[in-house]
Amino acid sequence: DAGVIQSPRHEVTEMGQEVTLRCKPISGHDYLFWYRQTMMRGLELLIYFNNNVPIDDSGMPEDRFSAKMPNASFSTLKIQPSEPRDSAVYFCASSRLAGDLFFTDTQYFGPGTRLTVL
Amino acid sequence: AQTVTQSQPEMSVQEAETVTLSCTYDTSESDYYLFWYKQPPSRQMILVIRQEAYKQQNATENRFSVNFQKAAKSFSLKISDSQLGDAAMYFCARGATNKLIFGTGTLLAVQP
Repeated sequence: DAGVIQSPRHEVTEMGQEVTLRCKPISGHDYLFWYRQTMMRGLELLIYFNNNVPIDDSGMPEDRFSAKMPNASFSTLKIQPSEPRDSAVYFCASSRLAGDLFFTDTQYFGPGTRLTVL
Repeated sequence: AQTVTQSQPEMSVQEAETVTLSCTYDTSESDYYLFWYKQPPSRQMILVIRQEAYKQQNATENRFSVNFQKAAKSFSLKISDSQLGDAAMYFCARGATNKLIFGTGTLLAVQP
């Protein structure tokens, strides 16, 4: 398997511009997670999906952030308009249910997108 | 609050030696998973090892092993025969329903 795929790997944009980050989860995984990592706040869960449906978006910082999962193999995280404080590494991860247990098994992470907003 | 605590912000080990990274957590659940992830300078989050809380046997993956003490809510990572490529940030994480709760990380330096 190719693992979780994210694009672009690096994005540099100017304040006010729209940014779209993309993710392809591992085939067969029905959970998808978006994280943000900064030095100040560490790793933060932004939102996660189950079977393409958003389950918990309580970590989304504000209305400028939105995420979609139109099908099982693709998700986007959009920031509009972007601000310098959005500069971070954004990770996508995927997982599946842990057998007979009612929670998810190991999350596998993509390589991340390093976003710089000038 | 359900937290994961890594009390060692930085650690250093000599090549070929053994190092132990500590992790404690808080939970009221009886079944859960625990993980150690490695993040090298490339920023990729790499799974190192996974422990199922309902299994008493400590997980082992080659040079990496854990000491899981469920009653004490402790989950330490032992790296044996340390190699230069082990230098990275190491994150402990607990699976909480469908989320991961991460510690703040331990930066491991490996001295040649």
